[in-house]
Amino acid sequence: AQKVTQAQTEISVVEKEDVTLDCVYETRDTTYYLFWYKQPPSGELVFLIRRNSFDEQNEISGRYSWNFQKSTSSFNFTITASQVVDSAVYFCALSFISNFGNEKLTFGTGTRLTIIP
Amino acid sequence: DTAVSQTPKYLVTQMGNDKSIKCEQNLGHDTMYWYKQDSKKFLKIMFSYNNKELIINETVPNRFSPKSPDKAHLNLHINSLELGDSAVYFCASSQGTGYRTSGTYEQYFGPGTRLTVT
Repeated sequence: AQKVTQAQTEISVVEKEDVTLDCVYETRDTTYYLFWYKQPPSGELVFLIRRNSFDEQNEISGRYSWNFQKSTSSFNFTITASQVVDSAVYFCALSFISNFGNEKLTFGTGTRLTIIP
Repeated sequence: DTAVSQTPKYLVTQMGNDKSIKCEQNLGHDTMYWYKQDSKKFLKIMFSYNNKELIINETVPNRFSPKSPDKAHLNLHINSLELGDSAVYFCASSQGTGYRTSGTYEQYFGPGTRLTVT
């Protein structure tokens, strides 16, 4: 079964601290894609990153970095020097092939991150 | 320019009514989706259309009927609204066809429609 687990329901850190959001996935596919989305208090969903299963290189984008490890089925997200604007719910997601051959996205339950000024 | 837009943003209605939510994307994408986000923030796909063709139809009550007049629009019509339909509904679009053979692309989401059924 395809599954995404975000065990951290809520995290609070003081501004400028680093924070890591965990994501663990389960899939039987050998080819799959992982995503992170941000949902700020305004409610929209913002795409952050897509990573395919064959690319285990870590990625850095400004203060954001992602650590993909197939050995532990994890795709963790780290925010360095956090800012109040980082306060949001963050979703990890996994794409998989359904029984009908089409592609679907399954989301984790999200981690609510609060940055305390 | 809004990439994926939805109307209305808020919808308050009584049980038993019929309502529609409209979605439009100007990204030139071929595939569009409807998701439901419940009060616990859980996101679940409802439907997916590729070039006006239905390709995903999850276990959703048949009171929900999507309609795609063209590939830039995917509307959601809900009949006989129930209290449990209260949620935020998101429209999304992506470049892919919905089949991995064509590539897997990120989905871009609209701002959401908060539906409250009283």
